Amino acid sequence: GQNIDQPTEMTATEGAIVQINCTYQTSGFNGLFWYQQHAGEAPTFLSYNVLDGLEEKGRFSSFLSRSKGYSYLLLKELQMKDSASYLCAVRDGNYQLIWGAGTKLIIKP
Amino acid sequence: DVKVTQSSRYLVKRTGEKVFLECVQDMDHENMFWYRQDPGLGLRLIYFSYDVKMKEKGDIPEGYSVSREKKERFSLILESASTNQTSMYLCASSLSGREAGELFFGEGSRLTVL
Repeated sequence: GQNIDQPTEMTATEGAIVQINCTYQTSGFNGLFWYQQHAGEAPTFLSYNVLDGLEEKGRFSSFLSRSKGYSYLLLKELQMKDSASYLCAVRDGNYQLIWGAGTKLIIKP
Repeated sequence: DVKVTQSSRYLVKRTGEKVFLECVQDMDHENMFWYRQDPGLGLRLIYFSYDVKMKEKGDIPEGYSVSREKKERFSLILESASTNQTSMYLCASSLSGREAGELFFGEGSRLTVL
């Protein structure tokens, strides 16, 4: 079967750096997405990786290794507003999105 | 500002009632999706549509139906609500094509079935 794994919950300190990992096993691969979802709100798009390597966008970066079935989202200079759930999703060989259960990130002062 | 709007943020219904959840997008997107989101599970696709009057079953279509009479509107229907359909329902839209980019989500409709 197809599977996306991410940690259920992580805690980090304001101003620090945190890395949220996502491993996947899918039938084919056509890209990986990261979304942010604040409690009670809609998920919003953060990043998209289809080739190996690091994509940087301000304080957020996303990395992909297709050979390892692995991605991470790196958040730098953490702010309290970064407290949210982070969802990893993989587009499989049939171009269907497979979603992880999400990682709840708690930022402490 | 692009927007996906869901008709109701919170609904409480009784078992056996018919439930309509409406979703409207103003981005002229061809693709529209209905997901449900439950704690500890990833988003699960109920139905999607690539064009007006088109619909495709997702991973968990049982107990649900959809309607897309206009490009901007995609409705989810629970013909006879059951307690196991208590969930957060998310509508999303995207541009056309298999390699369409990001999904734009509505804020969700939290349904409780008593």
